[in-house]
Amino acid sequence: EIVLTQSPGTLSLSPGERATLSCRASPSVTSGSLAWYQQKLGQAPRLLIYDASSRATGIPDRFSGSGSGTDFTLSISRLEPEDFVVYYCQQYGSSPTTFGQGTRLEIK
Amino acid sequence: QVQLQESGPGLVKPSETLSLTCTVSGGSITHNYWSWIRQPPGKGLEWIGYIYYSGSNNYNPSLKSRVTISVDTSKNQFSLRLNSVTAADTALYYCAGSGSYFWFDLWGQGTLVTVSS
Repeated sequence: EIVLTQSPGTLSLSPGERATLSCRASPSVTSGSLAWYQQKLGQAPRLLIYDASSRATGIPDRFSGSGSGTDFTLSISRLEPEDFVVYYCQQYGSSPTTFGQGTRLEIK
Repeated sequence: QVQLQESGPGLVKPSETLSLTCTVSGGSITHNYWSWIRQPPGKGLEWIGYIYYSGSNNYNPSLKSRVTISVDTSKNQFSLRLNSVTAADTALYYCAGSGSYFWFDLWGQGTLVTVSS
């Protein structure tokens, strides 16, 4: 199965700053089949990005995804207070679909 | 707007069977693929398996020997059975929907299942 490693485990930033979250795959993910989710405390994950760079319905354009193969990035420009939660990547190019262990975004 | 709701016992004894049902409302279960995903307290997400309305399914190899996912199109529901549970199966269980590319854009609120005697 494909193992996804997210880094950093915790990212400390201030509102208004830009966040860059990494997701590394081993082996590589086929056809850019990678999604990003946001999970707030006590809630189900929410789809942000699919196909590595396509924003899901209703997701603000300050969320963007990029990457291919083994290296993927979720960028959040101009952090808002509600963005300081946990983010997961998921690959769905190979079965079983797998998730990264998550990155927690905390207020500095 | 499609909504998902999990239901089932919140407490299961070790070695017994965990059974959960997900009810799909606001849309037909004949659209989308339907998965179960779990999250141990404070940990990450693990996909358990999916079912299509036709009955075709696929399970995570790590759980395949213990898992059955079934669908009841007349009730717009799909279900999870996990046999021989241990404390390691304690988790928040989500039902989720996806298209054929398996990114999950539909989620239930999740239900906590604790395995304990």
